[in-house]
Amino acid sequence: EAGVTQFPSHSVIEKGQTVTLRCDPISGHDNLYWYRRVMGKEIKFLLHFVKESKQDESGMPNNRFLAERTGGTYSTLKVQPAELEDSGVYFCASSLNNEQFFGPGTRLTVL
Amino acid sequence: GDSVTQMEGPVTLSEEAFLTINCTYTATGYPSLFWYVQYPGEGLQLLLKATKADDKGSNKGFEATYRKETTSFHLEKGSVQVSDSAVYFCALRMMNTGFQKLVFGTGTRLLVSP
Repeated sequence: EAGVTQFPSHSVIEKGQTVTLRCDPISGHDNLYWYRRVMGKEIKFLLHFVKESKQDESGMPNNRFLAERTGGTYSTLKVQPAELEDSGVYFCASSLNNEQFFGPGTRLTVL
Repeated sequence: GDSVTQMEGPVTLSEEAFLTINCTYTATGYPSLFWYVQYPGEGLQLLLKATKADDKGSNKGFEATYRKETTSFHLEKGSVQVSDSAVYFCALRMMNTGFQKLVFGTGTRLLVSP
């Protein structure tokens, strides 16, 4: 069974540009989560989808971040426009019930 | 709010040494506690968990006991191997709410030399 996959693995963009990160959860997992780790700090929760609905988006930092999960399968996280402080590793996780399975992350660098 | 504090790294050990990585938490209720591990180039993997006070989670020679009186969940291993080199994250999740988000500590990098 394939695990959680994320694309791209790395992205380097300039301040003010737009970047879209993609997450493909494990097939059949209704729950999908986004987290972010900034420069050696703690991993912070961004939001949680149940199917295509946002269950909890309390961790989204500001309105430059837009997450979608059309059709309840894969999810995208768009940052527009990107700022320097958005640099970090973005993790996606999915779950059927309790255990969350994580992807390898996307390392975003904003110059 | 809920938070997790874990010891700063890196922790550098020789093979077969004893490992302790400290983790304490602050929570308004009774959380479940987790240790995740991230090996180089890979995603986070659940290492072990405990869901109530005095529970001991164990896996791959690692152990951690849920101590409610000290709000701690320290990770231990009796004899580390080079292959244990990774970043270890302590985390909690409140189980009595509809929200399933994990709250993580900052991570502790472990380096094991032969």
